[in-house]
Amino acid sequence: EIVLTQSPGTLSLSPGERATLSCRASQSINNNYFAWYQQKPGQAPRLLIYHTSSRATDIPDRFGGSGSGTDFTLTINRLEPEDFAVYYCQQYSSSVLTFGGGTKVEIK
Amino acid sequence: EVQLVESGGGLIQPGGSLTLSCAASGFTFSNNWMHWVRQTPGKGPVWVSRIKSDGSYTTYADSVKGRFTISRDNAKNTLYLQMNSLRAEDTAVYYCVTGDSGYFLRWGQGTLVTVSS
Repeated sequence: EIVLTQSPGTLSLSPGERATLSCRASQSINNNYFAWYQQKPGQAPRLLIYHTSSRATDIPDRFGGSGSGTDFTLTINRLEPEDFAVYYCQQYSSSVLTFGGGTKVEIK
Repeated sequence: EVQLVESGGGLIQPGGSLTLSCAASGFTFSNNWMHWVRQTPGKGPVWVSRIKSDGSYTTYADSVKGRFTISRDNAKNTLYLQMNSLRAEDTAVYYCVTGDSGYFLRWGQGTLVTVSS
């Protein structure tokens, strides 16, 4: 099973700042089969990024994904109030699909 | 509009059984792989099981293999999860999710399963 480790656990930022979230895999991810999700309290996760860098439908272009191998990054440019939430990474390179433990982006 | 509506959750004693259902609408259910994903409050989601569009192929997480069974009725646009021999660690919100390529595109609102005596 591929283990995903997200860092930092919590990111304290102000609106308008840039957020950089990291996710490290215990094994190399093939074919860039990597995704990111946003989750707000009381809601289901929402797909933001798939195939490492492709934005899902209706996702603003301030959200960007990058990475390869074992290291992946979600960047949120110019944080908006609605972006403060928990973010999860996920790999679908192996038959067992796994998620990271999450990074909370909170208002400083 | 895509809708996934889970039902069947509740309080169940350890060792008991429960069947979750997910009613799908707004898309061609019979063309899509479907998954169950669960989540404990404060933790990351955990993939549980998936089923191919025609129901011919299924896979499970090791933690539920042999206890849970995923199935679907494409005529009724409904996904199921039969859960047997439930344990306290199965307590979670269970989500029905679409995902042909391995990432999770559309999620239901979830149904809470609590395993406790």
